[in-house]
Amino acid sequence: SAVISQKPSRDICQRGTSLTIQCQVDSQVTMMFWYRQQPGQSLTLIATANQGSEATYESGFVIDKFPISRPNLTFSTLTVSNMSPEDSSIYLCSVLGTGNTEAFFGQGTRLTVV
Amino acid sequence: GQQLNQSPQSMFIQEGEDVSMNCTSSSIFNTWLWYKQDPGEGPVLLIALYKAGELTSNGRLTAQFGITRKDSFLNISASIPSDVGIYFCAGQGYAGGTSYGKLTFGQGTILTVHP
Repeated sequence: SAVISQKPSRDICQRGTSLTIQCQVDSQVTMMFWYRQQPGQSLTLIATANQGSEATYESGFVIDKFPISRPNLTFSTLTVSNMSPEDSSIYLCSVLGTGNTEAFFGQGTRLTVV
Repeated sequence: GQQLNQSPQSMFIQEGEDVSMNCTSSSIFNTWLWYKQDPGEGPVLLIALYKAGELTSNGRLTAQFGITRKDSFLNISASIPSDVGIYFCAGQGYAGGTSYGKLTFGQGTILTVHP
């Protein structure tokens, strides 16, 4: 399994500001994914981030709100822009393991917007 | 977005009891995965299923990939207090398809185990 580290683990932010979340993987991976988990809810895919191409966003998520970078095969960032209290969630980075069949998750970033 | 129908939503059981939870979907999935999430942590993979009809065990956990590829169940035998947490099923799309690698999650089952 891949070891995935996210920073920060948690943050409290003022509305209207932006937060960039980092995801570092201990091995090179082709596909990285960003998920959101709203309080008491399940996980919803925000976007797929592949190195060398633009991120692909799921319905309901847009690049202006959630810009993503993928500069190399071990690192990605997700920015939550112009935050509002509705953005308070856990944001999770995920990668596919060797064989590209099993997805592994970071510990998540717990964001609270006040 | 699309979600799997996972049930039950919550379970309160006594230590030593067996637990069963299941997921159903209107879509076919290539892979079914079961995760456990503890408070403040990301989901941890418990079992992965790759073939229709496959029955796989991991210690006290047993999971099956439904024949129709649209459902899966997870059983936990002889539950212990550390089994407490939220269990999620997830379906993964086919390789080469637009859904490849993307996971669709169930709503989760909250498990409470009383000593």
